Amino acid sequence: NAGVTQTPKFQVLKTGQSMTLQCAQDMNHNSMYWYRQDPGMGLRLIYYSASEGTTDKGEVPNGYNVSRLNKREFSLRLESAAPSQTSVYFCASSPTVNLGETQYFGPGTRLLVL
Amino acid sequence: LAKTTQPISMDSYEGQEVNITCSHNNIATNDYITWYQQFPSQGPRFIIQGYKTKVTNEVASLFIPADRKSSTLSLPRVSLSDTAVYYCLVGENGNKLVFGAGTILRVKS
Repeated sequence: NAGVTQTPKFQVLKTGQSMTLQCAQDMNHNSMYWYRQDPGMGLRLIYYSASEGTTDKGEVPNGYNVSRLNKREFSLRLESAAPSQTSVYFCASSPTVNLGETQYFGPGTRLLVL
Repeated sequence: LAKTTQPISMDSYEGQEVNITCSHNNIATNDYITWYQQFPSQGPRFIIQGYKTKVTNEVASLFIPADRKSSTLSLPRVSLSDTAVYYCLVGENGNKLVFGAGTILRVKS
């Protein structure tokens, strides 16, 4: 039971390049989330998927797109990377988005945009 | 979205009890209070959650006064491995959780 896995662990991009961050969970959770964490700061929600087939914007969605490929997988795409997107990206999942549900986080993807 | 205020950092010694207080003056009726722990280069990990009064699990206790405008995370007998960032969150649903900057806890020997 791996929990939440993310690939890649680390990536360097040049400004304007695109890439997709992958996330998968094996806990049969309905809801999944993408956060970014900048140095010395808390996490900020980019997008979330309450259930398979649905996605919604979080606090900082600009410059990103997401796909809920199936119940297990939730990907985050940067179409044209910018230095301001240099950050650590965390994927998380929870049984639902309902009251009191605990979120389980992956190990993170460290992205550097030059 | 409810905003939380925590101390930026705290220092403690091994074996001591550590109490981290979080202020959330505009907490809503349906909001739960949740604490997460984050080690360097790892994702946050759930510690404890409560709505009112006191909650205790094998890791920590959470004290919530009647007005729910603050909460205190209590870590009994900390060890070096408890050195981490601790986040206090309030929210109704998973898509509305707001992470602040957290409290950096440093445990010394």
